Amino acid sequence: GENVEQHPSTLSVQEGDSAVIKCTYSDSASNYFPWYKQELGKGPQLIIDIRSNVGEKKDQRIAVTLNKTAKHFSLHITETQPEDSAVYFCAAALPNRDDKIIFGKGTRLHILP
Amino acid sequence: DTAVSQTPKYLVTQMGNDKSIKCEQNLGHDTMYWYKQDSKKFLKIMFSYNNKELIINETVPNRFSPKSPDKAHLNLHINSLELGDSAVYFCASSQETGANTGELFFGEGSRLTVL
Repeated sequence: GENVEQHPSTLSVQEGDSAVIKCTYSDSASNYFPWYKQELGKGPQLIIDIRSNVGEKKDQRIAVTLNKTAKHFSLHITETQPEDSAVYFCAAALPNRDDKIIFGKGTRLHILP
Repeated sequence: DTAVSQTPKYLVTQMGNDKSIKCEQNLGHDTMYWYKQDSKKFLKIMFSYNNKELIINETVPNRFSPKSPDKAHLNLHINSLELGDSAVYFCASSQETGANTGELFFGEGSRLTVL
């Protein structure tokens, strides 16, 4: 089955700086890679996703890159703001109805004033 | 209008009791899930249902039994609760499975504390 590793587990960055979170996956057949943000006391919420036919995707201050050969993908947040403080999860999914979205263990991002 | 709603939000109970958590989605999605999030924030899938049919049944104790009366509802019943069942349980739904895996919409979570 799929296995997703996520690093770092905790990340502190100065407000205005960039933050990068990295993930690797084990099954080369995985074709969907979403990123979720979980704020305190809330459920995770999708912030960006990428499919395996694309190498990079950007949405305002958030971008995701995918390297299929190396089986890793990354989340980049630029010009960080206090409201970016949260736990971020990467995930990978296989294209089969009996397969599921497998989550990484999460990264707690702290934006320092 | 809340898209995925689960009740109760908090549940404190004694070991050995039986409890249920209810989930409803008004998004018209065909697939619903239960996830467990432990104290370290690890998110693990427990079950998924597609149109009332069980699709994924991870290795969870059979004290956990999901029930889907219709495709808008997926309830979780837990028998003989144990200390290790303490966690936040998230319900989620999505539009599709298979080749076009879609966005998961999560509820706000139900924090279960077993004393």
